[in-house]
Amino acid sequence: AQSVSQHNHHVILSEAASLELGCNYSYGGTVNLFWYVQYPGQHLQLLLKYFSGDPLVKGIKGFEAEFIKSKFSFNLRKPSVQWSDTAEYFCAVNARNNDMRFGAGTRLTVKP
Amino acid sequence: EAQVTQNPRYLITVTGKKLTVTCSQNMNHEYMSWYRQDPGLGLRQIYYSMNVEVTDKGDVPEGYKVSRKEKRNFPLILESPSPNQTSLYFCASSNDRYYGYTFGSGTRLTVV
Repeated sequence: AQSVSQHNHHVILSEAASLELGCNYSYGGTVNLFWYVQYPGQHLQLLLKYFSGDPLVKGIKGFEAEFIKSKFSFNLRKPSVQWSDTAEYFCAVNARNNDMRFGAGTRLTVKP
Repeated sequence: EAQVTQNPRYLITVTGKKLTVTCSQNMNHEYMSWYRQDPGLGLRQIYYSMNVEVTDKGDVPEGYKVSRKEKRNFPLILESPSPNQTSLYFCASSNDRYYGYTFGSGTRLTVV
């Protein structure tokens, strides 16, 4: 069965710092990859997704992620974080005939 | 507006008192799912439904029931809630789960 690992449990950054959140998955076949964001007290919102094509995908709010197939990774990046990026971030993986699996989440705190 | 609506948003109940959390979507999605979110564990799937009258267990189905009598509704039933079911619950729907979900706003359940 597929699984998803997010290695950073809690990341604390100052405003304008660069962000990279790690996500690794275990599944040998073709997968779709997602990053969701959950702002405090809110539901999950899709940040970006990768289905095929260019492995560097751009999402909303200046986020991007790179799919590296050989490393089974889909890391999320943002060049300069803002206080409003404080949230929890979930990586998710989906394969045909399997349901979506989420990582444990990474809590990002951005200090003003 | 396309959305997944859950009710109630917050619920405090006592052990053993049956409760239902409702979920409704207005996007004519065939696929609906229930997740619970717990700190450090991410989102784990409870039950899913691929269409009317078609439901199946997810990763953590114990203590829960679901039904899908209409396409738009997918209620989650806790027949005898216990404190270990205290959690944040999300309903989600999709046209094709392979391509991601739309999530509801969540229901925070506390069982005392």
